[in-house]
Amino acid sequence: KQEVTQIPAALSVPEGENLVLNCSFTDSAIYNLQWFRQDPGKGLTSLLLIQSSQREQTSGRLNASLDKSSGRSTLYIAASQPGDSATYLCAVRYGGSQGNLIFGKGTKLSVKP
Amino acid sequence: SAVISQKPSRDICQRGTSLTIQCQVDSQVTMMFWYRQQPGQSLTLIATANQGSEATYESGFVIDKFPISRPNLTFSTLTVSNMSPEDSSIYLCSVIAGSYEQYFGPGTRLTVT
Repeated sequence: KQEVTQIPAALSVPEGENLVLNCSFTDSAIYNLQWFRQDPGKGLTSLLLIQSSQREQTSGRLNASLDKSSGRSTLYIAASQPGDSATYLCAVRYGGSQGNLIFGKGTKLSVKP
Repeated sequence: SAVISQKPSRDICQRGTSLTIQCQVDSQVTMMFWYRQQPGQSLTLIATANQGSEATYESGFVIDKFPISRPNLTFSTLTVSNMSPEDSSIYLCSVIAGSYEQYFGPGTRLTVT
């Protein structure tokens, strides 16, 4: 069964810290992997997309890595800010470009001023 | 990229009634997806809607409960029928665009009393 796990479930850090969110998946035959941000009661905002052939993607203070062989991805947030407080979701696509996304349960991040 | 709008953004409905959620995309897309996010949970795919054909439902979801229309390449509706409190969730419309990146609408927050 294809499963996506995110650790930790919740994380609280002081402003300015660098932090890492973890995502693991059971089936390494992925098509791509996406990281999303979700604010309370809102929809999902796509942060980074990593194709199966890529090792990492960067956008501003965010860097996502992918290691298919070990079934892991990490999302690195540099110099965290209170505005980064949200739930971060990892989702893995299997079965080609139109395949289904399998979501993790998310990591709820709180950045304290 | 794709910009997705949903109506309504939220609603409070009585048990036994039905609600139709609209999803509009700013570009033509082949497939549109409907997800449900129950309180405190991650996203679960309800169904995939292709224009001009019947929607494909995931295990645990049936057409009588969640009828879907897809009249053209930019619009879809999801109806939640004969609602019960267990249907209280955020319902999200989603599409794949660009480099097979998935985009989500802002969601419809449904409360059933």
